[in-house]
Amino acid sequence: NAGVTQTPKFQVLKTGQSMTLQCAQDMNHNSMYWYRQDPGMGLRLIYYSASEGTTDKGEVPNGYNVSRLNKREFSLRLESAAPSQTSVYFCASSDLGKSRNGYTFGSGTRLTVV
Amino acid sequence: AQKITQTQPGMFVQEKEAVTLDCTYDTSDPSYGLFWYKQPSSGEMIFLIYQGSYDQQNATEGRYSLNFQKARKSANLVISASQLGDSAMYFCAMRKQGGSEKLVFGKGTKLTVNP
Repeated sequence: NAGVTQTPKFQVLKTGQSMTLQCAQDMNHNSMYWYRQDPGMGLRLIYYSASEGTTDKGEVPNGYNVSRLNKREFSLRLESAAPSQTSVYFCASSDLGKSRNGYTFGSGTRLTVV
Repeated sequence: AQKITQTQPGMFVQEKEAVTLDCTYDTSDPSYGLFWYKQPSSGEMIFLIYQGSYDQQNATEGRYSLNFQKARKSANLVISASQLGDSAMYFCAMRKQGGSEKLVFGKGTKLTVNP
């Protein structure tokens, strides 16, 4: 089915370990986003990519890096994981200019840093 | 900067009754869009309804309607004839039209529908 695919769905890391969260969309959307969701905080934007080849910081970028590999793929990397990065991470995509359409979200990655 | 405020951490409603979830926003942009998303306990984010700042009429999608009061900067979600499956977190979000079209989310309201 068309949509946004995130991998992995669950991950446990030790403090200081690194990992990359993968995201791919097959909707031919231009824009892609990474959010984190923490209890009582809603969703906060980490990084986004308005189009292939561009990335920009969101509200909470510290401790993360991203790569827009091509139009389909947008990865999020934690270089040295910290317990404060324990969260649920969502990738999303949207089609610039089609404003009435909401984002399409992936199913999320639940990350625990111990 | 854009900001979304949802003042109700939790709401309860009886099955088959209507419920209103509050959302106020702050922006200086003249052109913007307002969204509501549902997040059931399974965790996925489900798009419910959209309202554009220049739309003349309030948006409706089935049992969902958006009570848009531009002068008051409010965009409340009304769910009619509540069902047990409506129990979920509900997020209000806003984005400036044009540019990167980033979505800014509120902190959410947890709705519980009682039988």
